[in-house]
Amino acid sequence: DIQMTQSPSSLSASVGDRVTITCQASQDMRSYLNWFQQKPGKAPKLLIYDASKLETGVPSRFSGSRSGTEFTFTISDLQPEDIATYYCQQFDSLPITFGQGTRLEIK
Amino acid sequence: QVQLLQSGGEVRKPGASVRVSCRVSGYSFHTYGINWVRQAPGQGLEWMGWISTSHGNTDYAQQFQGRVTMTTDPSTSTAYMELGSLRSDDTAVYFCARGGVATGFYFEYWGQGTLVTVSS
Repeated sequence: DIQMTQSPSSLSASVGDRVTITCQASQDMRSYLNWFQQKPGKAPKLLIYDASKLETGVPSRFSGSRSGTEFTFTISDLQPEDIATYYCQQFDSLPITFGQGTRLEIK
Repeated sequence: QVQLLQSGGEVRKPGASVRVSCRVSGYSFHTYGINWVRQAPGQGLEWMGWISTSHGNTDYAQQFQGRVTMTTDPSTSTAYMELGSLRSDDTAVYFCARGGVATGFYFEYWGQGTLVTVSS
C-alpha cells in the first residue's frame, strides 16, 4: 500500500498569506494525486487532480506540484472562505489512500 | 447535472448490518464506478472499496474484507454498500463517490453522506 504522510496536521494563517501543505508518498508513484477541500458537514470537494491540474471552477489561487515523492498544495492568497480541512489522496494503486488531513484556520 | 443521492441516516446495534444506497443521475450509470469512503466523527477519510458499474467487479480495502458487500441495480442507477458485524467504531458518515479504473478515481462527484450510528 502507498502511505501518504500529510503535514502539517493543522495550520493557522492570515488572510492574504501563502499557505503550503505537503504529502509525502511512501514509494515512487505516478502523478495520480488529488487534493480535496472539506468543510464541516459537507462532502469533500475536488480542487486539484493529477498533482497539478486545477479542477474546473476552482479559483486559481489554488495550485499543486510535485517533486519526486513529495506533493505540495498551495493557496497563494488565503481567503476567509478557505477555512476547511484539506486532504491529499493517491490513486496510483489500490487501495486508494488519503493523507491524514490538514485543518486550516484563519488568524 | 450530475447528482449522487444517498439514503438517510441509520441506527444499528452492534453485530447488526446496514445497507446504504447511492442513486445517481445526470450521467450514464455504467460509465463510472462507485466508491465508498467513510469518515468517523472528527477523523479523516477512509476508502472502503469500489464497484465497477459496467462489470460488477469489486475491490475492497483489506480491513473491510469479509464484512462489506458492494452491489448495483442498473435498472434504478443505484449502488449499494452493505456492512455487517457492526461495531461501535463503525459509527461514521459514509459517502459514495464517482470514479473507477477506466475513468480514474478522481472523485469529482460525491453523495451528501449518510450517518450510520452503531450503539447498543
